[in-house]
Amino acid sequence: NAGVTQTPKFRVLKTGQSMTLLCAQDMNHEYMYWYRQDPGMGLRLIHYSVGEGTTAKGEVPDGYNVSRLKKQNFLLGLESAAPSQTSVYFCASSYSSQRSYNEQFFGPGTRLTVL
Amino acid sequence: AQKVTQAQTEISVVEKEDVTLDCVYETRDTTYYLFWYKQPPSGELVFLIRRNSFDEQNEISGRYSWNFQKSTSSFNFTITASQVVDSAVYFCALISGGGADGLTFGKGTHLIIQP
Repeated sequence: NAGVTQTPKFRVLKTGQSMTLLCAQDMNHEYMYWYRQDPGMGLRLIHYSVGEGTTAKGEVPDGYNVSRLKKQNFLLGLESAAPSQTSVYFCASSYSSQRSYNEQFFGPGTRLTVL
Repeated sequence: AQKVTQAQTEISVVEKEDVTLDCVYETRDTTYYLFWYKQPPSGELVFLIRRNSFDEQNEISGRYSWNFQKSTSSFNFTITASQVVDSAVYFCALISGGGADGLTFGKGTHLIIQP
């Protein structure tokens, strides 16, 4: 039982390049999330998904796109990376529903640097 | 709009001292959930506790205890007889049904336990 895994762990991009971050969970959770963590800012929600085939915007969605084609995977895409997207990205999943929010299980994070 | 405030940016204490981390939240929803997460220097996020808005009982788990007071919108976290291994960044977070389904995090409190 691997929990939540993220690929890659580290990445350096040049401004304008694109990339996709992969999140996978093996706990059969419906809800999945992408957050970014910046120094002194805590974690902020980028996008989330409440089930396969559905996605929604969070607090800071600009510059990112997501897809949830399979229940166990949640992809975060950067179409044209900018230095402001230098951050640590965390994926999380939970077995919450509309009536009850349970704890979110977090992946180990992806450290992204955009030059 | 939801908000979580952790006014203490950094706390430094000597080992074996007790320490309390403050968390004040804002939400218009009557049903909500509060969480505490620990982020040790290795970077992963570790779930500590979940509390819903209808359960104001305080909780104790070993050296950890939590005090939830709806009257002051606070959910404080106390570590008794602190240890060096408690050194980490601690995040308080909030989720409710009225807004996005992701967590709203405070900016975190960096706790330093000196030997």
